[in-house]
Parts: sequence; structure tokens; C-alpha cells
Amino acid sequence: DAGVIQSPRHEVTEMGQEVTLRCKPISGHNSLFWYRQTMMRGLELLIYFNNNVPIDDSGMPEDRFSAKMPNASFSTLKIQPSEPRDSAVYFCASSPAAGSGNSPLHFGNGTRLTVT
Amino acid sequence: DAKTTQPPSMDCAEGRAANLPCNHSTISGNEYVYWYRQIHSQGPQYIIHGLKNNETNEMASLIITEDRKSSTLILPHATLRDTAVYYCIVRVKSGGSNYKLTFGKGTLLTVNP
Repeated sequence: DAGVIQSPRHEVTEMGQEVTLRCKPISGHNSLFWYRQTMMRGLELLIYFNNNVPIDDSGMPEDRFSAKMPNASFSTLKIQPSEPRDSAVYFCASSPAAGSGNSPLHFGNGTRLTVT
Repeated sequence: DAKTTQPPSMDCAEGRAANLPCNHSTISGNEYVYWYRQIHSQGPQYIIHGLKNNETNEMASLIITEDRKSSTLILPHATLRDTAVYYCIVRVKSGGSNYKLTFGKGTLLTVNP
């Protein structure tokens, strides 16, 4: 089991540029979550998918953020245009089934984004 | 709204048991209590979860009070590698039959030699 795989591990970009973060969930997991972590706000849930369908995107900060899950083994989180306040560690997590309150989330090691 | 309250920090001596408390007084009958920890620069790591009964696995034990308004995570023999932020989370419904985890600030556990 390779776990949840995120890429890149680190991303440094200039303000105004487009940023794409990638996530490969654990095979067989039906649910995928995107979190953002900063010192000020802690871990925040941005959006999650169940069977590739977005279920709750109430945590997405604004229209500059978008997430897709074209198939069961891949998801992207895109920021366009990026701003310095988007600097954070972005985590992806997957779970066997969001439809059960009894399924742990498995997290990747995150992407550290720095926007200058 | 994380629905849980934890002390911001705790210390524990290496080799001793670490008991981390959590209050979740507004928990509903079908909501599970989850514990995760986050070691610096890594993603959160699942530890254990429970609904009503006490639970034990290779990492820890979870003691849930009978009224379910609080719980305690027990690391029986803490090591230096257990130094981390520990999150107690109530998994709540998010539309239909879906659930989500909302993290609070957690407890920074420092294990001292």
C-alpha cells in the first residue's frame, strides 16, 4: 500500500501564477478530501469528493480555487491566480467510504506552497 | 466548528503513560470520536476511533465516558517519537449520508527524556 501520494512536495511560485496540486488516493478508496494548513487557521477542510463527485465545497476560500476528480485515482486542486496568502501546506486524504462514520482518513504528506 | 475542546499542551515523561483528555459535550448519538496525531512536517496520522465502547489497538487506548461527553486517549508507554500534536475529532454528517472531519487546534504533547 503506497498510501496517498501528493505532488509536488514543494512548490514556489510568484503571485498571479497558476498552481496545480495533485493527489493520488489509495486504491479502492471512494472518498477524497483536500485540506489546507496554516499556522493561523490550522487544518481547514476545503472540499471533498465521494465517488468522484464533489459533495461539500463550502470550505473553498473563493473562486480562485477549484478542484476536480476526473477519475477514482486522481484529483487536482488548482489556484488561479495565486496570491501570497495562499501560502500553506495542502493535504490530500482518502477514505474507504464517506458514507460511513466509521472510516478513517488516510493523509498524504502534503504539498508546501509558497507564493511570493 | 470542531465540536471538541482539548488542552493546548501537555508534557509526559518518557516511558510513562500519556493521558490526553477531550471534551465533546454536544456529540450526537451516531457520531464517532476520532483521534489523529501530526508529527512535524508530516500529514495527520490516524490513531484510533470509537463510538461508545472503549477501544484498544497497537498504538493506543480510547476511553469514552458513559454519557459520551468526553474521552481520553492513552498512550501506555510514551516515547520521544510520540511528541506530536494530537487531535480529537467528532466526525459529523455533511449532507445526506456523508461525513467529514473538522480539526480543532489539538494538544501538543511533548515527551521528555
